[in-house]
Amino acid sequence: QITLKESGPTLVKPTQTLTLTCAFSGFSLSTNGMAVAWIRQPPGKALEWLAIIYWDDDKRYSPSLKSRLIVTRDTSKNQVVLTMTNMDPVDTATFYCAHLTSNATMVALDYWGQGTLVTVSS
Amino acid sequence: EIVLTQSPGTLSLSPGERATLSCRASQSVSSSYLAWYQQKLGQAPRLLIYGASSRATGIPDRFSGSGSGTDFTLTISRLEPEDFAVYYCQQYGSSPPVTFGGGTKVEIK
Repeated sequence: QITLKESGPTLVKPTQTLTLTCAFSGFSLSTNGMAVAWIRQPPGKALEWLAIIYWDDDKRYSPSLKSRLIVTRDTSKNQVVLTMTNMDPVDTATFYCAHLTSNATMVALDYWGQGTLVTVSS
Repeated sequence: EIVLTQSPGTLSLSPGERATLSCRASQSVSSSYLAWYQQKLGQAPRLLIYGASSRATGIPDRFSGSGSGTDFTLTISRLEPEDFAVYYCQQYGSSPPVTFGGGTKVEIK
């Protein structure tokens, strides 16, 4: 059974750097076809994809946020870490990590964490 | 960059009615890479449909997906009380690899 859980600060100040951890179980991020994505959702708004890290350590970022994001993985701990710099109040959102399955029959975000709300305020 | 436009923004229907949700892409999307998600208030999104028309595990058959190219549709044949939620389409591509639509809210009329 695949599970994911986000953790990190609930409150950050403007200009600070946000670091979130996604702890997962039930799969190995070293296995071909696996990936973990980060998605955020401001209160009352739509989902926005942020970043993705693949089984081969390839990483991709949202073009609009690329300069502020870094995603890394620790395969021994089954964790993925998202870093977002220069936080602003408009970055207030619920942040989700999700498992991506990519194989011959399916490409989709099939398991999601519960999400963690991060508020940016002084 | 592929942009997904969902319509309508809000759909007001009664239980038992049929819901038809649209997702239009700014460029052609491979059907294999088009998915739909349901999100209830305060919950994480849940995968409903992948590959444009395949139901995810445990999804009732009242949910169906169709379409190809730039036009995709999610249909809920008969709305149950638990189906009132927000629905997102999502495509997987090369640059950027993941894009979501703006969502359609299905609300009780």
